[in-house]
Amino acid sequence: GQNIDQPTEMTATEGAIVQINCTYQTSGFNGLFWYQQHAGEAPTFLSYNVLDGLEEKGRFSSFLSRSKGYSYLLLKELQMKDSASYLCAVRDKNTNAGKSTFGDGTTLTVKP
Amino acid sequence: DTGVSQDPRHKITKRGQNVTFRCDPISEHNRLYWYRQTLGQGPEFLTYFQNEAQLEKSRLLSDRFSAERPKGSFSTLEIQRTEQGDSAMYLCASSPPRQAYGYTFGSGTRLTVV
Repeated sequence: GQNIDQPTEMTATEGAIVQINCTYQTSGFNGLFWYQQHAGEAPTFLSYNVLDGLEEKGRFSSFLSRSKGYSYLLLKELQMKDSASYLCAVRDKNTNAGKSTFGDGTTLTVKP
Repeated sequence: DTGVSQDPRHKITKRGQNVTFRCDPISEHNRLYWYRQTLGQGPEFLTYFQNEAQLEKSRLLSDRFSAERPKGSFSTLEIQRTEQGDSAMYLCASSPPRQAYGYTFGSGTRLTVV
């Protein structure tokens, strides 16, 4: 089984940088994903990490430490439209499905 | 291809009735997933298809739930004898074989059981 923890809520200021943490415990790790979900909409894929280190994609970066069971999503130059829920999801190696288990999400509010 | 399509967007049904939802994945994607999401929670895995084969089904899913993917194209999710606890957003997602691409989700079907 898997257990994924993220903070429930975070608040940040427009133009600032925010880091959203995710810790996980899994019997077999096969990749970690971050998704963004605006209220009332479906999640959209942001990033994927399977090896340790930082993956950068524009204003968003994602970091993974497999030995610590830890990841973070870094959002730079925050914009009002970044207000959303950010979901951490872990893929289990011990399954043929390639399915991901999701955390409950971190609701980010960006203020002017 | 315009992405993953789900129909209907909203469904209100009386307790005890049967409902069926449809998902049309991205045509190049051989993997299809159904998830359920309630307010304040992350998506919860229901079932998975690779092409037309249903390879995994959550043990949390009662026998009132069934899913099909005939010919490996669209998929349907049926809930029989609905209960109020079934009220949720039902999300369909598809992905190609390469896992690095993550899921592409449909807009979901919001089910309300009254």
